[in-house]
Amino acid sequence: RKEVEQDPGPFNVPEGATVAFNCTYSNSASQSFFWYRQDCRKEPKLLMSVYSSGNEDGRFTAQLNRASQYISLLIRDSKLSDSATYLCVASSASKIIFGSGTRLSIRP
Amino acid sequence: EAGVVQSPRYKIIEKKQPVAFWCNPISGHNTLYWYLQNLGQGPELLIRYENEEAVDDSQLPKDRFSAERLKGVDSTLKIQPAELGDSAVYLCASSSHPGTTEQYFGPGTRLTVT
Repeated sequence: RKEVEQDPGPFNVPEGATVAFNCTYSNSASQSFFWYRQDCRKEPKLLMSVYSSGNEDGRFTAQLNRASQYISLLIRDSKLSDSATYLCVASSASKIIFGSGTRLSIRP
Repeated sequence: EAGVVQSPRYKIIEKKQPVAFWCNPISGHNTLYWYLQNLGQGPELLIRYENEEAVDDSQLPKDRFSAERLKGVDSTLKIQPAELGDSAVYLCASSSHPGTTEQYFGPGTRLTVT
């Protein structure tokens, strides 16, 4: 079992839809969590950190559920430009683990 | 502000040959990471530096891979000899604080071993 698991997708949704991804982690010592976005043949770029109380950045909302050991990303009013792979990260003092990513494709 | 710089961007070598990748982190970032990313997978950490000290190299295949960050700024990752299975993208990232903070990635070096 992978330490950080994501549904690989692809999620194919129409423009304007709301889409959500989950990411589960197995290391209970994980302290910090992030979502990165990666476009095809590009490097990962930080989308947002995930805080314990949940946080929002424009159309993006991230939440953390420590009891069930998962983080989520919600994208509202999706745009064509949101098409990418979304990577979650669970990080402890000694380990930094990326998930394999969830592919999102927004169609017109 | 300049981002993380990596070179070369692409490299094609024959198996058993050596190869080296170079990374210059964002100015002032003391923490530097080298990752390997295979197609369809997330980045896998190879080594993490705090200044010039390698604080986590547990996933670095030390029989053929080596890395250095002599002055605590730029870094070199080397493979000798390369194997077919080493074909991947090698990503360098940096962060301003050690451990669990946001990382900024360079464009990567795409290595093809033939």
